[in-house]
Amino acid sequence: DVVMTQTPVSLSVAIGQPASISCKSSQSLVGTSGKTYLNWLLQRPGQSPKRLIYLVSKLDSGIPDRFSGSGSETDFTLKISRVEADDLGVYYCLQGTHFPYTFGAGTKLELK
Amino acid sequence: QVQLKETGPGLVQPTQTLSITCTVSGFSLTSYYMQWVRQTPGKGLEWMGFIRSGGSTEYNSEFKSRLSISRDTSKNQVFLKMNSLKTEDTGVYYCARDGMDAWGQGASVTVSS
Repeated sequence: DVVMTQTPVSLSVAIGQPASISCKSSQSLVGTSGKTYLNWLLQRPGQSPKRLIYLVSKLDSGIPDRFSGSGSETDFTLKISRVEADDLGVYYCLQGTHFPYTFGAGTKLELK
Repeated sequence: QVQLKETGPGLVQPTQTLSITCTVSGFSLTSYYMQWVRQTPGKGLEWMGFIRSGGSTEYNSEFKSRLSISRDTSKNQVFLKMNSLKTEDTGVYYCARDGMDAWGQGASVTVSS
């Protein structure tokens, strides 16, 4: 199985400051189609996960452009340019290239 | 408006079978894959499997021997059945659409005698 390693485990950020989360996969996530099926999700307290970004860098509808995704092959990053209170929760990366699909262990974003 | 809602038993005894229904609205099951994902205290988020828009299935080998996913397109429902439950199967079970772009609120399942 593809192992998704997220760092840091937790992140304490002041409102208005930037944040960055890393996700590394144990093998390349480039699929046979040439697409890279790497998603980022946010799970707010008491809620279901919500997809923010798909195909490495494409923002889902309604997701503010404070969020951005980048990376390739095995190394990916989620950045928040200016953290807002609504951004708090646990962020997960998810690969959908190889079966079984696998998630990172999560990064908890907290307010400083 | 896309909506997904899981309904399940809440409490299941060890060795018994878990059955959860995901009822969807706002889209057609014949146009989208439907995924099942669970979240347990021990392993976090785990992909369990999916049913394709054409009706074929794919399972995580971790669950393959005891998991079944099916659907009734006329009722807009997708079904998860997993047998031989253990206490470590306790968690929240989610259905999600296709590329995980929409999720249900989750069905909480406790495996206990």
